[in-house]
Amino acid sequence: EDKVVQSPLSLVVHEGDTVTLNCSYEVTNFRSLLWYKQEKKAPTFLFMLTSSGIEKKSGRLSSILDKKELFSILNITATQTGDSAIYLCAVEALITGANSKLTFGKGITLSVRP
Amino acid sequence: DAGITQSPRHKVTETGTPVTLRCHQTENHRYMYWYRQDPGHGLRLIHYSYGVKDTDKGEVSDGYSVSRSKTEDFLLTLESATSSQTSVYFCAISEIRRQGDYGYTFGSGTRLTVV
Repeated sequence: EDKVVQSPLSLVVHEGDTVTLNCSYEVTNFRSLLWYKQEKKAPTFLFMLTSSGIEKKSGRLSSILDKKELFSILNITATQTGDSAIYLCAVEALITGANSKLTFGKGITLSVRP
Repeated sequence: DAGITQSPRHKVTETGTPVTLRCHQTENHRYMYWYRQDPGHGLRLIHYSYGVKDTDKGEVSDGYSVSRSKTEDFLLTLESATSSQTSVYFCAISEIRRQGDYGYTFGSGTRLTVV
């Protein structure tokens, strides 16, 4: 059974802090790892990672994947109150042919205090 | 914008009644998914579809059925709603975003309460 574990489950920081969110996984037929941010509604896409050691960046957010050790981290630098959200890690696995499915972790609730 | 619309946005229903949730997309995406999200469990896959009339079960499919009679619509039916099916339901599609990159896009969700 595919498994995705995120840690910590919740985190409270102050504006300006740097945070690191962790995601480890066990999955058969790995295809990609995805990070999402969820505020009040639907999850919104942040990053998709397929190759080890290649950092993806978007503004103050960055993420990297280690396919040997089966984990990924999401870094947020100079946090702002608008970064407060649930951060979801999901692993995509191939099923058959081009079919795939996502398995999600439980999410990390980040609260950024002014 | 993947053009995903879920309906209804909110619904309250009684235990034992059938309920159908609709996911509509306008961009001819082949793959569509239904997830439920519950506190402490994250998002869990209920059913998915890889084409018209092609569907398969996810990890929490018991008590749910789906149908996809045309590309744009993926319906999720709770055959006889139970309180344990109170949840937020998300539809998703997978799409190509840029060359060599793709992702899953989610609808706005349906909040279902079974009383």
